[in-house]
Amino acid sequence: GAVVSQHPSWVICKSGTSVKIECRSLDFQATTMFWYRQFPKQSLMLMATSNEGSKATYEQGVEKDKFLINHASLTLSTLTVTSAHPEDSSFYICSANLQVKVSSEQYFGPGTRLTVT
Amino acid sequence: GQNIDQPTEMTATEGAIVQINCTYQTSGFNGLFWYQQHAGEAPTFLSYNVLDGLEEKGRFSSFLSRSKGYSYLLLKELQMKDSASYLCAVNDYKLSFGAGTTVTVRA
Repeated sequence: GAVVSQHPSWVICKSGTSVKIECRSLDFQATTMFWYRQFPKQSLMLMATSNEGSKATYEQGVEKDKFLINHASLTLSTLTVTSAHPEDSSFYICSANLQVKVSSEQYFGPGTRLTVT
Repeated sequence: GQNIDQPTEMTATEGAIVQINCTYQTSGFNGLFWYQQHAGEAPTFLSYNVLDGLEEKGRFSSFLSRSKGYSYLLLKELQMKDSASYLCAVNDYKLSFGAGTTVTVRA
């Protein structure tokens, strides 16, 4: 099946610093990737849709200048959390679309747990 | 906006059957997914329904009624490893997730 990787899997950073999270589709090309955030005991909330070669589409309430998304190739999207604060501590998950017949199944990466101290 | 409802928690014993209901009201519809998520891990795909009816996949089955905005996930012959959160997600060219149903399987 399709495999999506994320790096790092776990990161601790100090308040005010920036953190970059990578999302890679390992065995398929993904023109579209999605970034989600999940707080403890809550569901996944879509942050933005990352499109290869164009600007990301952000969901309402997500600051595009704080969460920078770059989808430079068909297999890599990055999310940079700039000037991180403790409230940004969360589980960040990416997914990539794999077009299969009429469905559009998303494959999820293993997630990145960010802790801001 | 999107409104997707599912129960918060369910508990059942090993070997039993559990049905997790999901109702949705969304601006568009291009299929409904069910995912399983263990604590601290990413969701894994369980099933996909785009047409009305029942889709069976081993111990897991999923049902969809588009006219009623309703789906359910049926877990049969429950095993301890089935203890997890189950997420209902509606595809409108992007996925909108329900809050998830935490299923606890007891011996």
